[in-house]
Parts: sequence; C-alpha cells; structure tokens
Amino acid sequence: AQSVAQPEDQVNVAEGNPLTVKCTYSVSGNPYLFWYVQYPNRGLQFLLKYITGDNLVKGSYGFEAEFNKSQTSFHLKKPSALVSDSALYFCAVRDDNYGQNFVFGPGTRLSVLP
Amino acid sequence: DSGVTQTPKHLITATGQRVTLRCSPRSGDLSVYWYQQSLDQGLQFLIQYYNGEERAKGNILERFSAQQFPDLHSELNLSSLELGDSALYFCASSADRVGEKLFFGSGTQLSVL
Repeated sequence: AQSVAQPEDQVNVAEGNPLTVKCTYSVSGNPYLFWYVQYPNRGLQFLLKYITGDNLVKGSYGFEAEFNKSQTSFHLKKPSALVSDSALYFCAVRDDNYGQNFVFGPGTRLSVLP
Repeated sequence: DSGVTQTPKHLITATGQRVTLRCSPRSGDLSVYWYQQSLDQGLQFLIQYYNGEERAKGNILERFSAQQFPDLHSELNLSSLELGDSALYFCASSADRVGEKLFFGSGTQLSVL
C-alpha cells in the first residue's frame, strides 16, 4: 500500500531564510507526487507535482521540490521564505498501480517568523 | 477561489441523525473526490466519482454513501451519525480520471453533538 510521511509536525524559519519541508513516500509502482498548501479556513491549494521528467519541479509562489528516487523523498523548498508562506503543507502520493486514490501525509505546519 | 462550491459551510446536528453534504465541481471537471479531515486522522480519502460512476473507494464507512448526478454535482450522505464523525469534509474536483491536479472546495465543518 502507498503511504506518505512528513517527519516534522512543525517547521519554523525566519523570513528571508531558505525553507525545507520534508516528505518521504512508499509506493509499489511509479510515484506521482504532489504538494498542497492549506491556509486557515480554506481548502487545499495545489502547489506542484512530479509525474516524470526532471527531478527538480518548480511550482506556484516560488516553491520547488526535488524528487529523489533512491531516498524515496520529495522535499519542498523555497530559497527565501515569506511571512505569508505560513500555512499547513501536505505532501501527497498517488500510486499508478492503485488508480486514483491519493494518499496525503499528516501535514507540516510552517511558521515564518518576521 | 478554486471554483469548487460546497454547501453548507457549517452543519451542527445530533448523534443518530442523517445529513447531506453537497458539492459542485469546477465547470467542466468530471471527477469529484470526497475527503474527511480530522485532527487525529489527518486527511482521509473517502471516495471518487468520475462522470457519474464510482471510480475509487477509500476509508469510507458503510454509514456513508455518495453519488454523482448527471449535472456532475455530488452529494455525500452521512447517516447514524456518531460523535467521531465530527470533522471537516472536503470535496475536490479534477478535469479527468487521473486527477493530476485537484481543486478543493472550502469544506463543510460537521459538528455532531
């Protein structure tokens, strides 16, 4: 079965510093990987996805993620954090052997401090 | 605005009751997904419909059912409600069966008292 782990419940970073939100996954087939962000009282918003191709994926709001097959990781990164990036971030995986059943990680709360 | 509309935004009911949550997908999207978000369980996939047919099933209880109508809107029916069913229920839509990009509604906050 597919699964997603986000080892950090909370990540704190100072504004202007680089940020990383970690994600590791487990699938039996080829992974389709995603990052979503949830702001307070809002639904999830798509940030970026990896299906195939370049291991470095660029997404919305200056975020990027690096797919590492050997480490089964898909960490979210941003070179310079903004206070407005503070939100709940979800990593998700869809295994192409299991149809369209997305599995979301538990979420990581990012706090960017001014 | 994602284009996905969920009603009602808030629902307060009692144990043993039945409620219906409604979702209108983005214009043109054929797939609808239902998710349950709670503090202890995180975001749990319940069920997916594509163009009126059930496509994938997740951790959906037998007390819960869903359907997608010809106009593509979807309803999630929750019956014999228990305190533990209190959660935020999200609907998401995508343009195709594969669902490479999901658009989420703002959710329905269900409180079972």
